[in-house]
Amino acid sequence: QVQLVQSGAEVKKPGASVKVSCKASAYTFTGYFMHWVRQAPGQGLEWMGRINPNSGGTDYAQKFQGRVTMTRDTSISTAYMELSRLRSDDTAVYYCARDSGYCSSTSCPLDYWGQGTLVTVSS
Amino acid sequence: DIQMTQSPPTLSASVGDRVTITCRASQSISRWLAWYQQRPGKAPKLLIYDASSLESGVPSRFGGSGSGTEFTLTISSLQPDDFATYYCQHYNSYSGTFGQGTKVEI
Repeated sequence: QVQLVQSGAEVKKPGASVKVSCKASAYTFTGYFMHWVRQAPGQGLEWMGRINPNSGGTDYAQKFQGRVTMTRDTSISTAYMELSRLRSDDTAVYYCARDSGYCSSTSCPLDYWGQGTLVTVSS
Repeated sequence: DIQMTQSPPTLSASVGDRVTITCRASQSISRWLAWYQQRPGKAPKLLIYDASSLESGVPSRFGGSGSGTEFTLTISSLQPDDFATYYCQHYNSYSGTFGQGTKVEI
């Protein structure tokens, strides 16, 4: 069955960067966009961006432009999300999630999700 | 960017109740709307896509309707497993904004 397994929790200081990984299995990694969504403690879901694992092309939410970089390594079916210049309000659980096949002309809802990675930003 | 507004933020209900959650888009998104359920400490789960299509394995007590800018998620008879937070999300453009969520509590 499709699985997305994310890297473990991280504690970072303000101003540092964090890189979270998401290893996919049981499907063709290059066939589906991978999205990143975060959730601050007690808050709602926030879409950060997506990567096309086939081409490496990315789309980022305006809020994160210039601070987020999404990459992938197709040889190991793994997507990465790196967030730089961390602030305390970046403390959140970060999820990777896969496009479903039910798409509009531009995007799709998300059918498989990773287990989440808690990133804590604290001095 | 398209903004998504859910109401109510919190909903108190009992087992067996029929509940309805509303999601409004700031501009027309045709039928490109999904609903998710999130239980505490867990990742979201896709329930509904294309505004009204039930994801495989999701119980038939969940239903979605709407198009354009106004959408609803209905749970016909609330079960104990359904106490959770529900989010809508549009996918009319590449940036898939979520609603703020509706917590369904006892």
